[in-house]
Amino acid sequence: DAGVTQSPTHLIKTRGQQVTLRCSPKSGHDTVSWYQQALGQGPQFIFQYYEEEERQRGNFPDRFSGHQFPNYSSELNVNALLLGDSALYLCASSGGQARVTDTQYFGPGTRLTVL
Amino acid sequence: AQSVTQLDSQVPVFEEAPVELRCNYSSSVSVYLFWYVQYPNQGLQLLLKYLSGSTLVESINGFEAEFNKSQTSFHLRKPSVHISDTAEYFCAVSDQGGNKLVFGAGTILRVKS
Repeated sequence: DAGVTQSPTHLIKTRGQQVTLRCSPKSGHDTVSWYQQALGQGPQFIFQYYEEEERQRGNFPDRFSGHQFPNYSSELNVNALLLGDSALYLCASSGGQARVTDTQYFGPGTRLTVL
Repeated sequence: AQSVTQLDSQVPVFEEAPVELRCNYSSSVSVYLFWYVQYPNQGLQLLLKYLSGSTLVESINGFEAEFNKSQTSFHLRKPSVHISDTAEYFCAVSDQGGNKLVFGAGTILRVKS
């Protein structure tokens, strides 16, 4: 059973560009959350998707947007990239209809570098 | 809003020695508490969680954590560590009505032989 997968593994962009990161949840999971982990810090919640809708959002600007597809996979889009967007982006999936009590399984992350 | 403070950024310890990784949280509402572990070049994995009931929770690999509401703490302990426990450990909190995790900055546990 494949766990949470993310693509690409690494990505290098320049300031002002746009980027799309992808996540496939663990089999049987219907909820996807995205986190940003800057170097030396803990993950910060960006937003969560369930039933193709954004259910909760963290303190991130509108440049960060997402989408969930009918097969529960998800994309994270970041527009007008800033140097400060350089980070490891983590996707987590869970199978509890967005309930926090259900274990979230994390993918290995996408390392984004903005030059 | 919740916040988490992990008091030590790095904890070096010799193999077979006991260890405690400290975690304090701040919240105005009831919370759930979690410890995640991140091994080198791997994703975050849930180590243990407190939802309700007994304040002492255990993991399958010998770690335990105790929820202390009066001290707003959820410290992680292991009586005897192994080299393989070398990893970064993250404490996280969520309010009981929400569906997001708020993480601390992490503690790197370095086990030396």
